[in-house]
Amino acid sequence: GIQVEQSPPDLILQEGANSTLRCNFSDSVNNLQWFHQNPWGQLINLFYIPSGTKQNGRLSATTVATERYSLLYISSSQTTDSGVYFCAVPIIQGAQKLVFGQGTRLTINP
Amino acid sequence: ETGVTQTPRHLVMGMTNKKSLKCEQHLGHNAMYWYKQSAKKPLELMFVYSLEERVENNSVPSRFSPECPNSSHLFLHLHTLQPEDSALYLCASSQEEVVGHGREQYFGPGTRLTVT
Repeated sequence: GIQVEQSPPDLILQEGANSTLRCNFSDSVNNLQWFHQNPWGQLINLFYIPSGTKQNGRLSATTVATERYSLLYISSSQTTDSGVYFCAVPIIQGAQKLVFGQGTRLTINP
Repeated sequence: ETGVTQTPRHLVMGMTNKKSLKCEQHLGHNAMYWYKQSAKKPLELMFVYSLEERVENNSVPSRFSPECPNSSHLFLHLHTLQPEDSALYLCASSQEEVVGHGREQYFGPGTRLTVT
């Protein structure tokens, strides 16, 4: 099946720093989602980005489908950005299901 | 996020108990999902319902029994669970435009289950 790998697994930064999180996937996909999981477990949708670049405030994402990777950029980090960031891609086997990466745990220190 | 709600948020149950998790989506979607997130493991899909029919059962033990009475509600009935079933159980929904080709999935806040 499709493999989804995220890097780095852990990232510790000071408030105000910028960061880049990477998601590699092993097969062609028709969409990709980025999520932020907060300390209470809630998965918050960040981007739905099959290809191209999208921006939402301090966050932006780029997916290069032909090269099978996606990047999540966080600028001017804040402590509330801490948490685990997941990317997920669908596989279609009779019904859509998302395959998640292992996540990047981001810690922003004040 | 209030589009998908889950109750209860926390549940502690013994191995001989029977309990149910509830999920409700207010987004008008036609597909709903149960995922399991265990410590140190990626999220895993358990069940998919599309148009109220179960279309995926991802080799889940029979002690987990899903039910989808309508497109807005999804239940996960639990009985005789094991301690290793302790995990965060997440519900999600999406609008499936063509069978097997869904769009963005939205998640509920999860139920944190502890089996003692």
